[in-house]
Amino acid sequence: GAVVSQHPSRVICKSGTSVKIECRSLDFQATTMFWYRQFPKQSLMLMATSNEGSKATYEQGVEKDKFLINHASLTLSTLTVTSAHPEDSSFYICSAPLVGSTDTQYFGPGTRLTVL
Amino acid sequence: AQKVTQAQTEISVVEKEDVTLDCVYETRDTTYYLFWYKQPPSGELVFLIRRNSFDEQNEISGRYSWNFQKSTSSFNFTITASQVVDSAVYFCALRRGAGGTSYGKLTFGQGTILTVHP
Repeated sequence: GAVVSQHPSRVICKSGTSVKIECRSLDFQATTMFWYRQFPKQSLMLMATSNEGSKATYEQGVEKDKFLINHASLTLSTLTVTSAHPEDSSFYICSAPLVGSTDTQYFGPGTRLTVL
Repeated sequence: AQKVTQAQTEISVVEKEDVTLDCVYETRDTTYYLFWYKQPPSGELVFLIRRNSFDEQNEISGRYSWNFQKSTSSFNFTITASQVVDSAVYFCALRRGAGGTSYGKLTFGQGTILTVHP
């Protein structure tokens, strides 16, 4: 079946540094990918929609200059958390919809970011 | 606007008990999809079921069953004879139908933490 991978699975960084998270669709092409954020013991909240070949669209309240999204190819989207702060510590999950007969959304395994 | 409500924050049961997780949704769309996901401690979301708005037939898969009722905007999930391995956070989610810029976006409920004790 379709698989979405994320790298890294876990990252710890110092405050003020930038962190890049990769999301890859392994056996299908994804013109659109979604980035979600999940704080501890909370639900998943959509941050942005990553569009291959065009700018990402951000949900209300998400800082586009802080969370840079690049959809470099049909199988790769990256989320860069710039100048990370402790309040950015969270679980980041990407997803990619498989359009077609199954029309199902596949989630990556998530990346746990801890900012010290 | 779309909204998903899972009123039960936490449920605790003893193994072999049946348990039902409630999900109520709000949408103005006539075409939409409903999902249930399981999130074990590892964090990875596990897809359980997808149901479209035109299919109100209930579904059973092993110990899992789902009751979709459009009249009450509910999509409840029942685990029969629960097991310790069922312990996880369960999310109900809603997605708009195909087309438009909202295609593919999921609106999640708050999640229900299920703990099954041996």
